[in-house]
Amino acid sequence: DARVTQTPRHKVTEMGQEVTMRCQPILGHNTVFWYRQTMMQGLELLAYFRNRAPLDDSGMPKDRFSAEMPDATLATLKIQPSEPRDSAVYFCASGPGTGLSSPLHFGNGTRLTVT
Amino acid sequence: QKEVEQDPGPLSVPEGAIVSLNCTYSNSAFQYFMWYRQYSRKGPELLMYTYSSGNKEDGRFTAQVDKSSKYISLFIRDSQPSDSATYLCAMGTGGGATNKLIFGTGTLLAVQP
Repeated sequence: DARVTQTPRHKVTEMGQEVTMRCQPILGHNTVFWYRQTMMQGLELLAYFRNRAPLDDSGMPKDRFSAEMPDATLATLKIQPSEPRDSAVYFCASGPGTGLSSPLHFGNGTRLTVT
Repeated sequence: QKEVEQDPGPLSVPEGAIVSLNCTYSNSAFQYFMWYRQYSRKGPELLMYTYSSGNKEDGRFTAQVDKSSKYISLFIRDSQPSDSATYLCAMGTGGGATNKLIFGTGTLLAVQP
C-alpha cells in the first residue's frame, strides 16, 4: 500500500534553531503539497510543487521558511530561524495531478514544538 | 472571513445515530468538493468527493453539494464508534494539474458506544 512518508514524526527544538522536515511522496505522483495544521487555523497550504517546480508558496513566511524538491523522491521544508508560533503539525501530501479522480494522499505529519 | 467555514464541534452522538456535518464557502469558483477523515495523530484520508452540485453515496456515507447556497454536507448513517474522528471538508476550483485544495478547520465527531 503506497503512502507518503514524513520524517521526523516529532521534533522539539529551541527558538532560533533550524528545523528541516522531509517528505517522500508516493512514487509516480507529480504534485507535492506542504500544509500546516493548528487548532485555530486548521490546515493551511504553505507551498506546492508540480514536477518538482514550485507553483505557489504564497502561504509561506518567506523570511524564514523555504521549500524545495531536490529530486522526485524528496521534498523538504526548512524553517530558519524557528519561532514558538511555528509549533504545529506539518503535513506533506502528494497527488498524481490529473484532476478529480486523483485525491491527495497525506503523510502522518511532523509534530513540531518550538520552545 | 475564511473561504471555507466549518463548525469545529465537538459533536457527540450515540452509536447508530445519523450524523450531519456541514461546510459553507464563499468562493463561487469552487467546483469540486471533498471530505477527509482524520484520526488522532494521523494524516487526513479521503472519504468522499463530488463534482459540482448533487449527491453521492458510498455505503453509510452520503455527500451533498448545493452550489446555489454554497453549502456542502456529509451524512453518516448508522454511526459507529470507529467513525470517531475529525472530518474536514475541502474544496478546489478545478481539477487538472494542481489539485490545490482549501480545507475547513474540521469537525470533531465522537460516537459513543
